[in-house]
Amino acid sequence: SQQGEEDPQALSIQEGENATMNCSYKTSINNLQWYRQNSGRGLVHLILIRSNEREKHSGRLRVTLDTSKKSSSLLITASRAADTASYFCATDEGDSSYKLIFGSGTRLLVRP
Amino acid sequence: DVKVTQSSRYLVKRTGEKVFLECVQDMDHENMFWYRQDPGLGLRLIYFSYDVKMKEKGDIPEGYSVSREKKERFSLILESASTNQTSMYLCASRLYLNQGYEQYFGPGTRLTVT
Repeated sequence: SQQGEEDPQALSIQEGENATMNCSYKTSINNLQWYRQNSGRGLVHLILIRSNEREKHSGRLRVTLDTSKKSSSLLITASRAADTASYFCATDEGDSSYKLIFGSGTRLLVRP
Repeated sequence: DVKVTQSSRYLVKRTGEKVFLECVQDMDHENMFWYRQDPGLGLRLIYFSYDVKMKEKGDIPEGYSVSREKKERFSLILESASTNQTSMYLCASRLYLNQGYEQYFGPGTRLTVT
C-alpha cells in the first residue's frame, strides 16, 4: 500500500502565486523527503525533514511536518513557470530505514 | 555533484528478449536502487543493493534480477521481457544505509516491450 499520498493530484496556478501540496502517510517515520520530477526525467531531491522537526525552509520552499496527523505540506512561494513538474513525498518505514515509500505525486502546472 | 547515469534513455525490446539496464554512480555510494514508475502507481522498488554483491528484494521483484559486481555499477536484468514490463525504470543511489540520506536518481530509461 502507498505510504505517502499526495493531495491534490494536480494543481494549476498562475506564475507568482504560491503552491501548496500535501502528503499523508500511515505509519511512524524517521524522516520525510520531497522530490521533484520534470517530465520524463529522474527525481531530484528537494528537502528532508526529520520526525522531530516541525518546519524547514530552503529558498522558496517551506516544508511542515505534523507527526500527530501523519501529514506534511510543501509550499512553493512566488512560483515560476520553471517550477512546473511533479512533486513526490517519500517516507521511510520507521525501523526500515533503507526503503523509501513514494506517493503517486502532485502534478504542478505554473502558467506564465 | 553526484552523478547517476543510466545506459539508455529509450529502449524497445521484443517479448521474450533478455534485457539489461545499466546504472553507474560516480560518488562511491554504498546503496543503489532500482524502481519502476507507472502512471497512477508512483515509484515502486524492484531491488536494492546495500553493498557490492549484496541485494535485497523490493516490493515487485518478480521477473527481474540484479547484479552488483562493482560498487559503482548496479544492473537490472529482465530475464524474459514481457509487455507488462513496459515502464519507466529509475536507478538511484544513496551514500549510506542510514536514516536521512537522500537518494540521487538517474534520468530514467523508458522501456517498451512489444
